[in-house]
Amino acid sequence: AQKVTQAQTEISVVEKEDVTLDCVYETRDTTYYLFWYKQPPSGELVFLIRRNSFDEQNEISGRYSWNFQKSTSSFNFTITASQVVDSAVYFCALSEWNRDDKIIFGKGTRLHILP
Amino acid sequence: EPEVTQTPSHQVTQMGQEVILRCVPISNHLYFYWYRQILGQKVEFLVSFYNNEISEKSEIFDDQFSVERPDGSNFTLKIRSTKLEDSAMYFCASRLDQPQHFGDGTRLSIL
Repeated sequence: AQKVTQAQTEISVVEKEDVTLDCVYETRDTTYYLFWYKQPPSGELVFLIRRNSFDEQNEISGRYSWNFQKSTSSFNFTITASQVVDSAVYFCALSEWNRDDKIIFGKGTRLHILP
Repeated sequence: EPEVTQTPSHQVTQMGQEVILRCVPISNHLYFYWYRQILGQKVEFLVSFYNNEISEKSEIFDDQFSVERPDGSNFTLKIRSTKLEDSAMYFCASRLDQPQHFGDGTRLSIL
């Protein structure tokens, strides 16, 4: 069975600090996708990144970076020099690599960036 | 950039009434999905739809729920007799290749 665990329910940091959101996943599939989504207070889901299970290269996009470690089944997300606009709920998610690729979401981490 | 559009943004319905949530997926997409998010909880898969039939459904998607793609552009979710616990945000998604593209959601409030 597939499962995504985000152990941090809520995190508060002061603006300009770096923050890492943890994600651990379980799957029996050898091929799968991993995702991060941002959900601001307005409620929509904002797609941040998708990685496939063959690509363990870390990725950086501006202040955002992602660390994919297959050996520990983790896909952590770091925000560098956090800003108040980063305040949101962040969801890590997993899907199988097949036609019917439902997305399994973690419970989310609520991130508060304090001014 | 093309978007998945959901209407209405907020729907208020009396318990026991039928409700239809509407989605217009991106025009060349072939795979369609509904997800649900109860307030403060995680997003949960409801159903996937491909080639005019349900591909997979979750335990949540019981006989009260149905989906339809009536005209090749809309993708609807119907709840036949709403319950209080159906109050949630409902997200539609579609894709051709990866990833799924999500709409902004419809907040359903059951009174």
